[in-house]
Amino acid sequence: KAGVTQTPRYLIKTRGQQVTLSCSPISGHRSVSWYQQTPGQGLQFLFEYFSETQRNKGNFPGRFSGRQFSNSRSEMNVSTLELGDSALYLCASSSKLQGSDTQYFGPGTRLTVL
Amino acid sequence: AQKVTQAQTEISVVEKEDVTLDCVYETRDTTYYLFWYKQPPSGELVFLIRRNSFDEQNEISGRYSWNFQKSTSSFNFTITASQVVDSAVYFCALSGLNSGYSTLTFGKGTMLLVSP
Repeated sequence: KAGVTQTPRYLIKTRGQQVTLSCSPISGHRSVSWYQQTPGQGLQFLFEYFSETQRNKGNFPGRFSGRQFSNSRSEMNVSTLELGDSALYLCASSSKLQGSDTQYFGPGTRLTVL
Repeated sequence: AQKVTQAQTEISVVEKEDVTLDCVYETRDTTYYLFWYKQPPSGELVFLIRRNSFDEQNEISGRYSWNFQKSTSSFNFTITASQVVDSAVYFCALSGLNSGYSTLTFGKGTMLLVSP
């Protein structure tokens, strides 16, 4: 089975721009979660989508948004980029058939904001 | 609120040494899950193990073993006869019933450096 894929792998943007990151989950997985990883704050949960609905959201400003499509693929968008948004953005998928199914992570998108 | 503490920021060992990575957690949930992930330099988080709060049995998988002790809220990870390929950052994580299990709370990670 193919793993979680994320595109693009690297991205460079300037302050004030917006960016869209894409995540394709493992086939059959219906839950997609997003995490931000920075040296200072570590790994932090952004949001989770299941069957096209956002089910949980972390403590991030409204500039961070996401969506999920009917094929379970997900996108996250960051508007009005700030220098502090530079990070590795990781997407994870799980089947969510029962309890706490394991989340499997993609390789991440490394975003640099100049 | 949930919290995971990995007190060891960095550990350096020589190949073939045994090494234990510590993880202490806090949660008010009675049902929760604990995880360990490995992050090599490539950046992808690789799943290693999941353990639920009702299963305190220790587990061994090859050179890896995990010790879960609910009484001390710890879930430690031991690598026996370490190898250079074990060099990575290791994260302990927790998910609980109150968040619908959808949120992983991570520790800050322990960087393991194994030298030849």
